[in-house]
Amino acid sequence: QSALTQPRSVSGSPGQSVTISCTGTSSDVGGYNYVSWYQQHPGKAPKLMIYDVSKRPSGVPDRFSGSKSGNTASLTISGLQAEDEADYYCCSYAGSYTLYVFGTGTKVTVL
Amino acid sequence: QVQLQESGPGLVKPSETLSLTCAVSGYSISSGYYWGWIRQPPGKGLEWIGSIYHSGSTYYNPSLKSRVTISVDTSKNQFSLKLSSVTAADTAVYYCARRGISNWFDPWGQGTLVTVSS
Repeated sequence: QSALTQPRSVSGSPGQSVTISCTGTSSDVGGYNYVSWYQQHPGKAPKLMIYDVSKRPSGVPDRFSGSKSGNTASLTISGLQAEDEADYYCCSYAGSYTLYVFGTGTKVTVL
Repeated sequence: QVQLQESGPGLVKPSETLSLTCAVSGYSISSGYYWGWIRQPPGKGLEWIGSIYHSGSTYYNPSLKSRVTISVDTSKNQFSLKLSSVTAADTAVYYCARRGISNWFDPWGQGTLVTVSS
């Protein structure tokens, strides 16, 4: 099972919006509505930002939103803030054999 | 507030067995949820290792299945990871995390770096 494909980096100025894509296959992203997104600051543990494609856990700002179309999921950060600069990983359920596959990771830079 | 804390040796010799424990506080493992291990080689991405239910049911990454054992000790409210026949490729930060009902991971432990070297 290969890792889900994400762009290596995206960037934006404060206040702008950025979107991170996460491309898989019909066996993972396209086959289930179980895509989650994690934010990871340097030296820190990942933090859940989005689950079930588009749901936000309590405490996560509504600037973060998720969506999915076919085999590609997306995370959008609106109104980019300095503290959003971090690495972001997607994760998808991939069936009862493989179970979970993570994305390659995307570095978000706030210019 | 659920908290997880990994512990174990930071250095393991090649061909030996890596052993880590994750202590859970603020929630009883016996009450439910799956509990799992995820690792991250230095400068690289995340890889799911496996998960366990309080009953002892386990699920492993097929690529690691032959070398991985995850167990749970409900009396101590902790679960453990054993990875056998380690090589330098197993050098990583190892995280423990709770797996939610609909397949998300939250919260995570702070992570522990395990280096495989002689």
